[in-house]
Amino acid sequence: QKEVEQNSGPLSVPEGAIASLNCTYSDRVSQSFFWYRQYSGKSPELIMSIYSNGDKEDGRFTAQLNKASQYVSLLIRDSQPSDSATYLCAVNKGSQGNLIFGKGTKLSVKP
Amino acid sequence: NAGVTQTPKFRILKIGQSMTLQCAQDMNHNYMYWYRQDPGMGLKLIYYSVGAGITDKGEVPNGYNVSRSTTEDFPLRLELAAPSQTSVYFCASTQGLYNTEAFFGQGTRLTVV
Repeated sequence: QKEVEQNSGPLSVPEGAIASLNCTYSDRVSQSFFWYRQYSGKSPELIMSIYSNGDKEDGRFTAQLNKASQYVSLLIRDSQPSDSATYLCAVNKGSQGNLIFGKGTKLSVKP
Repeated sequence: NAGVTQTPKFRILKIGQSMTLQCAQDMNHNYMYWYRQDPGMGLKLIYYSVGAGITDKGEVPNGYNVSRSTTEDFPLRLELAAPSQTSVYFCASTQGLYNTEAFFGQGTRLTVV
């Protein structure tokens, strides 16, 4: 099992819809979880971080964490064409402190 | 704020050549990382450093070397370049060990021919 797994997509949603992105991780001692957005040809940029079970909302973005199921998700409400990008899930790998990334899910929001 | 600066942005190497990718950060971060990203893939960790003088291997260290003589700089050395090292390389830094954002450089697109 890969350390951080994501559905590679592409995920296509119409403008205004909710986009749901999922991520699972294998290391139970992971403590920090992040969602990065990466536009084509650009570097990743942080959009959400979550550290405890439950939901965390920031504007149109909601991150959900379930440590028992080793599952992290990102919901994007009222999706816009500008949200079209690859979304990378990243997990802090225990005491070593380094970030492990998933392969990313490519999201396409159609006008 | 400059943040994390990588040079060069693009480079073409011939098989067997060597080069150093430069990375510098001005945020006084202790933790620095080198990742590579192949087309359609996520980021794979090459090497990381938890402070000046301390480095450790990540997931894909073969063919690379690093050094960390100062807090600010974390160069990545490619010896005897191979076509398999064609990739986009990202340097990143974080302030702390756990609950901190990673700041990325703009990336270096390397082609080995």
